[in-house]
Amino acid sequence: QIVLTQSPAIMSASPGEKVTMTCSASSSVSYMHWYQQKSGTSPKRWIYDTSKLASGVPARFSGSGSGTSYSLTISSMEAEDAATYYCQQWSSNPPMTFGGGTKLEIK
Amino acid sequence: EVQLVESGGGLVKPGGSLKLSCAASGFAFSSYDMSWVRQTPEKRLEWVAYISSGGGSTYYPDTVKGRFTISRDNAKNTLYLQMSSLKSEDTAMYYCARQVLRYAMDYWGQGTSVTVSS
Repeated sequence: QIVLTQSPAIMSASPGEKVTMTCSASSSVSYMHWYQQKSGTSPKRWIYDTSKLASGVPARFSGSGSGTSYSLTISSMEAEDAATYYCQQWSSNPPMTFGGGTKLEIK
Repeated sequence: EVQLVESGGGLVKPGGSLKLSCAASGFAFSSYDMSWVRQTPEKRLEWVAYISSGGGSTYYPDTVKGRFTISRDNAKNTLYLQMSSLKSEDTAMYYCARQVLRYAMDYWGQGTSVTVSS
């Protein structure tokens, strides 16, 4: 199965700071999805098909990547962005896999 | 409004069984593939089962294959997960989720908690 490794596991950023987190796949994948989860709530689809923002997601978020390397970027950190972000893929062979998550905190 | 409401979780002994349900509303349930995803106490997300819109195709990871069975009743707009031979490592919050293009999950339920312990 394809293993997704997210880095860093934990990070903090000041308001206004640019944030980048990565998701590395053990084999090449065609796309990546990202989910945001805040404490005590269900995950929410955040970025899909590598770079498309889900409905309601602020334009300061972006996604990019190809092959084995994908990233989620926040152009200017805001307090409401503090959450855990998970990447997810489904290769041609099951199973679906998730990364271990990046916990983003506000300084 | 799309809603997914899970139920059926609880405390069960190792080796026991449990059946989870997910009631769907606000969309054409029979037109969508669905999955169950669990979140461990360590906050790791793990996909545990997938079913196609008509129920004809199902997939499972090796960790639950042979122990978990996903099914659906499109007439009742309900998704199920039958879990048997439960182990302590199955302890988690279980979410149902709607699958869309390229297997993204665009809506998730609020989850139902399963604890496997003697």
